[in-house]
Amino acid sequence: GIQVEQSPPDLILQEGANSTLRCNFSDSVNNLQWFHQNPWGQLINLFYIPSGTKQNGRLSATTVATERYSLLYISSSQTTDSGVYFCAVNPGSSNTGKLIFGQGTTLQVKP
Amino acid sequence: GAGVSQSPSNKVTEKGKDVELRCDPISGHTALYWYRQSLGQGLEFLIYFQGNSAPDKSGLPSDRFSAERTGGSVSTLTIQRTQQEDSAVYLCASSLALAGGSDTQYFGPGTRLTVL
Repeated sequence: GIQVEQSPPDLILQEGANSTLRCNFSDSVNNLQWFHQNPWGQLINLFYIPSGTKQNGRLSATTVATERYSLLYISSSQTTDSGVYFCAVNPGSSNTGKLIFGQGTTLQVKP
Repeated sequence: GAGVSQSPSNKVTEKGKDVELRCDPISGHTALYWYRQSLGQGLEFLIYFQGNSAPDKSGLPSDRFSAERTGGSVSTLTIQRTQQEDSAVYLCASSLALAGGSDTQYFGPGTRLTVL
């Protein structure tokens, strides 16, 4: 099946710094979502981005489907950005919408 | 409107007992998914519903796991004869996607299951 790899696995930032999280996938996808899992365990949608670039405030994402990767940019990080960031894909071979998740990037933003 | 809700938020049970976990999707969402999150396995897909039908059960780990959905809305995940390896957070998600399509999935807060 499709493999989803995220890097780095862990990241520590000082408040105000910028960062880039990467998601590589091994096969074609129908869609790709980025999530933030907050310290209470809630998965919060960040982007639905099968291709192209989207921006939402301090966050933006780019997916290059032909090269099988996606990037999540966090600018001017805040302590509330801490948590685990997951990339999840719906494989191109799937006829349902099920998501295959990467292992996540754990981000800690220090004040 | 309201998001996806799940109950109970926490469940502690003894090995060998049966448990039922409930999911209320966002109103109007036809697609419903169950996932589980455990330390060793990360986030894994369990089962997909389109309406009341489950065309993809490929992620259910054993025949002790079953799920149903009624009225195109509420879903129940049942685990029979629970084992310690069933301990995990069980997450439900829903989306507007029609059959065979994919769309943004919205997740509930999860049920944390602990099997003693």
